[in-house]
Amino acid sequence: AQSVSQHNHHVILSEAASLELGCNYSYGGTVNLFWYVQYPGQHLQLLLKYFSGDPLVKGIKGFEAEFIKSKFSFNLRKPSVQWSDTAEYFCAVNAYGNNRLAFGKGNQVVVIP
Amino acid sequence: EAQVTQNPRYLITVTGKKLTVTCSQNMNHEYMSWYRQDPGLGLRQIYYSMNVEVTDKGDVPEGYKVSRKEKRNFPLILESPSPNQTSLYFCASSSGQREQGGNTIYFGEGSWLTVV
Repeated sequence: AQSVSQHNHHVILSEAASLELGCNYSYGGTVNLFWYVQYPGQHLQLLLKYFSGDPLVKGIKGFEAEFIKSKFSFNLRKPSVQWSDTAEYFCAVNAYGNNRLAFGKGNQVVVIP
Repeated sequence: EAQVTQNPRYLITVTGKKLTVTCSQNMNHEYMSWYRQDPGLGLRQIYYSMNVEVTDKGDVPEGYKVSRKEKRNFPLILESPSPNQTSLYFCASSSGQREQGGNTIYFGEGSWLTVV
């Protein structure tokens, strides 16, 4: 079964700073990769996903993620964060053709104005 | 509009009093599942269903039941709730068809359940 690791559960940074959240997964086969965001009091929203093709994926709100197969990683980045990016971010993985998602424990990101 | 709808959104109940959280999706999806979200633990899958009358345990099924009598509905049943089931619950659905090899999973808005 696949598993997902996210590091640095709590991240605090100032507006305009750059953000990078690490995500590593363990699964030997082909995977689909997702980043979800959960704003305070809201449900999960899909930020971006990788199924195949270009390993650099661009999502909504200026986020991007890079799939590095050799490192089993799918790190999320944003060059310049805003206060409105304060949220919890979850990395998720499922095996190719499989609907079961395995989630990481999340990164709580707080952006200080 | 594509939607996954959960009810109730907020509930406080007492230990041992049976409750059901409903989930309905309007996308004709085959796959549905339930997750619980707890601080520091992320989301953990409780049960999932590949299609009508087909259900299976996820990672944390103890204390829960589900049913899938119709394609659109996937209720979560707590026969005898306990305080350790206080959590935020999410229902999710996705198409059984592959999109370029993957399936986007849609989430409901969550149900906050407190068991006292």
